[in-house]
Amino acid sequence: NAGVTQTPKFQVLKTGQSMTLQCAQDMNHNSMYWYRQDPGMGLRLIYYSASEGTTDKGEVPNGYNVSRLNKREFSLRLESAAPSQTSVYFCASKEAQGSPLHFGNGTRLTVT
Amino acid sequence: GENVEQHPSTLSVQEGDSAVIKCTYSDSASNYFPWYKQELGKRPQLIIDIRSNVGEKKDQRIAVTLNKTAKHFSLHITETQPEDSAVYFCAASNNNAGNMLTFGGGTRLMVKP
Repeated sequence: NAGVTQTPKFQVLKTGQSMTLQCAQDMNHNSMYWYRQDPGMGLRLIYYSASEGTTDKGEVPNGYNVSRLNKREFSLRLESAAPSQTSVYFCASKEAQGSPLHFGNGTRLTVT
Repeated sequence: GENVEQHPSTLSVQEGDSAVIKCTYSDSASNYFPWYKQELGKRPQLIIDIRSNVGEKKDQRIAVTLNKTAKHFSLHITETQPEDSAVYFCAASNNNAGNMLTFGGGTRLMVKP
C-alpha cells in the first residue's frame, strides 16, 4: 500500500519546454489535487478532480493543464515552462468530504 | 471563496515550553479543520483535525480548539521537544463540491534545546 506516488522527484527544465508530472494513488480515493508550494507562500491549489471524469481550476491554474486518467491517476502538464513555475509540486488525494488529505512526496521542479 | 490566515509566521520556544499557533477563516460554512506538520524536505502530514461539532480535541501533547462564532481555531503543543521543530499548516474546508482544503500560510516552529 504505497499511498500517493509522484514521479519524477526532481526535474530541471529550460524555459519553453514541456513536461508532465505523474501522480497515482492506491487508496481508492475519489478526489485528487495538485498543489504548489513556494517559500513563504504555503500550499496553493492548482487544479483538482472531485471525482473520476471531472476536473476544475483551483487558485493558480494558469500555465497548467490536468488529466484525470482514471480513478487512480491524475497528471499535471506544463505546456511551456516558465521560471515562475519553479516550485515544489504536491499531489494529494482524499476519500470524501471531511476526510484527511494524503500527500505524495513532491516533485521539485526548477525552470531555468 | 475561503481565506485562511495563520499567525505567527515563525515561533521560537525553549524545549519544554508550550507553543500556540492561531488561524482564522472567513467562510462560516467551513466545518473541517485539519493541521499538518511538514518537516524540511518532506511532505505535509496530518497531525490532528477537528470538525465543527466539536470545540476541542486532544492527542497526547497536541490539542486543537475551535471557536465557530469567532471563526478561529488554534493548535496547542505542550512540553515541546526538538523533534517538534517543523512548519505547521492549518486548513479549512466545507462540504463544497470539490472537497477543497484552503491552507494557511504556515508557521515555522523552532524548539531550542
